[in-house]
Order: sequence, then C-alpha cells, then structure tokens
Amino acid sequence: QSVLTQPPSVSAAPGQKVTISCSGSSSNIGKNYVSWYQQLPGTAPKLLIYDDNKRPSGIPDRFSGSKSGTSATLGINGLQTGDEADYYCGTWDSSLYAGVFGGGTKLTVL
Amino acid sequence: QVQLQQWGAGLLKPSETLSLTCAVYGGSFSGYSWSWIRQPPGKGLEWIGEITHSGSPNYSPSLKSRVTISGDTSKNQFSLKLSSVTAADTAVYYCARVGSTSGWWYWGQGTLVTVSS
Repeated sequence: QSVLTQPPSVSAAPGQKVTISCSGSSSNIGKNYVSWYQQLPGTAPKLLIYDDNKRPSGIPDRFSGSKSGTSATLGINGLQTGDEADYYCGTWDSSLYAGVFGGGTKLTVL
Repeated sequence: QVQLQQWGAGLLKPSETLSLTCAVYGGSFSGYSWSWIRQPPGKGLEWIGEITHSGSPNYSPSLKSRVTISGDTSKNQFSLKLSSVTAADTAVYYCARVGSTSGWWYWGQGTLVTVSS
C-alpha cells in the first residue's frame, strides 16, 4: 500500500491530453514539493517535474505539473506513442521522515 | 554530466546481507543527498533511505532495523547494506541523487537482486 495514491492506469489517443492524479496528505504533498517520473520498460525512472511544476532541462513543455492542497497532477499534452510508460509521483513525508512514492500509473496511448 | 554507476551481488540466499555500492561521476558528491530506492518485479518504487549532504542517514521506517547507508566522500561513493534478506527483498535496486530542493534527479542503472535458496 503506497502512501501516495495514483490511478493504476489511464489512456488517451495520440495528440490528446491526459492527466494523472496523485493524492496524499498534509504531512507529505501538503507540506513538501512533489516530483514526477517517467519509467519506460526495463529502464530507470526519469525525472519529469520537480518542485511541483518545474521541468528539468531537456523535458518538453508538453509535460506539466500542478498542485493544490494535498493533491498533485501531471499533465501530458500532445500525446505520442513514445509516452507509453509508467508514471510515478514522489515527495517527502514530514511525519514518516521518509521519501514516499505513489503506486504508479500505466499510460496507454491508444 | 552526472552519472551514477552501481554494482553488487545479484543473487543472495535468505538471511544473507545485501551489499551495493554506487559511484558518482561528473559532479559534486558533497553538498547533495544520496538515496537508495528499490522496485520489486512488476511493482512500484519504494524509498529505502538516504545519506544526507551532512553525512547523516535517514531510513524507511519499515526497513530501518536492517538498513545501513554510508558515504565515502574520498571516493565519491555511497553504499547500501540490507541484512537478513528474504524473498520479499527481491527487487531492482537503484541509487539516485536528490535535488537541491526536491526530486531524485540522477539514477543508477539498477541492479536486480534476487533472494532465493
């Protein structure tokens, strides 16, 4: 059971937009920055978003992040088949004093 | 360009100690925190712990009694030891660098550790 809650799967057609939610609590998302990761099969996770809504250099602006209260959202515009992957949210939990992740969301581009 | 290269034994028997090391290339070691994260086959990411920029470790509450994370600034390396492993510890283990404000920015290639008798 993950501390952060994500939907197990989402799907959308190429060119469309999809959002992935990440729900937590006042001790994690409500108090600390959220980051998002893309994991392609057989590879290490890759940072997409940090500090709730910032993109590292080289990440396309098709990827966006937002946060409100104890929930965060990853948005992906202009879906491409290459976006098919597992997506994870992560943050710090100030009560557990530990890093925490969501259970992951599998994105299918139909 | 920061690169993390990790190594360690990939096959263990129950009750043995898992030992992995991660070397940091192309960037500063001091001034950052360094984490270990694992992923059981077909499952999600689990944070194991970290060694902070000040050299203090933090551990997952669920693994704290069995985990030791240490850093060697002279070698730009940090290590993970997990004692008394069981089949439930079978996973791909990743090392990663923590960002200045948030996020795990750079990741090692991952090491599959299998625990089997």
